[in-house]
Amino acid sequence: DSGVTQTPKHLITATGQRVTLRCSPRSGDLSVYWYQQSLDQGLQFLIQYYNGEERAKGNILERFSAQQFPDLHSELNLSSLELGDSALYFCASSVGGGMGSPLHFGNGTRLTVT
Amino acid sequence: AQTVTQSQPEMSVQEAETVTLSCTYDTSESDYYLFWYKQPPSRQMILVIRQEAYKQQNATENRFSVNFQKAAKSFSLKISDSQLGDAAMYFCAYRSPGNMLTFGGGTRLMVKP
Repeated sequence: DSGVTQTPKHLITATGQRVTLRCSPRSGDLSVYWYQQSLDQGLQFLIQYYNGEERAKGNILERFSAQQFPDLHSELNLSSLELGDSALYFCASSVGGGMGSPLHFGNGTRLTVT
Repeated sequence: AQTVTQSQPEMSVQEAETVTLSCTYDTSESDYYLFWYKQPPSRQMILVIRQEAYKQQNATENRFSVNFQKAAKSFSLKISDSQLGDAAMYFCAYRSPGNMLTFGGGTRLMVKP
């Protein structure tokens, strides 16, 4: 168990809808990262927060947004969903935001858009 | 942009034997970190081992060791005494200052009893 908690485990929704994925980082970790894993794109970095502030952005669509709250949990909001958004969404956390801090991943949220 | 390449989509190994998974990367940085992550059927990403580019000594974690060749930009993972529980997808990953963790495409490892 990595100590990173993601909810829900599975999510099935229709195109055009909006969903929220939630992540609780390991105790003491200040950085939260979101990754998308799809069959054709592999693991893609979406966004990073460090102690409540956005630190880095990757290939995150404008329809997607995220935030990190004062208690350090994070939420990833996906709106106007399309079939291609179906993927496994991972949250990871690390103590710091530096390159040497290993990322510890949650079990992911499997999103299916029908 | 940094890229990480795993040229072996699938590998298989007999239980108790040794297997090596390959990884190459492209970078102009001199300091960076390299990682191997394991993703079993449970789909969780588990850190196996990490290596700092400035450290010449190859990292080792129990049955897992790496062969880090900085000049060749190569970072292979050796699994000794393979066990059934080692069956998983293995991802090589790279991270340099100011950049995010970048993953390779993965290698599926099958362990035959």
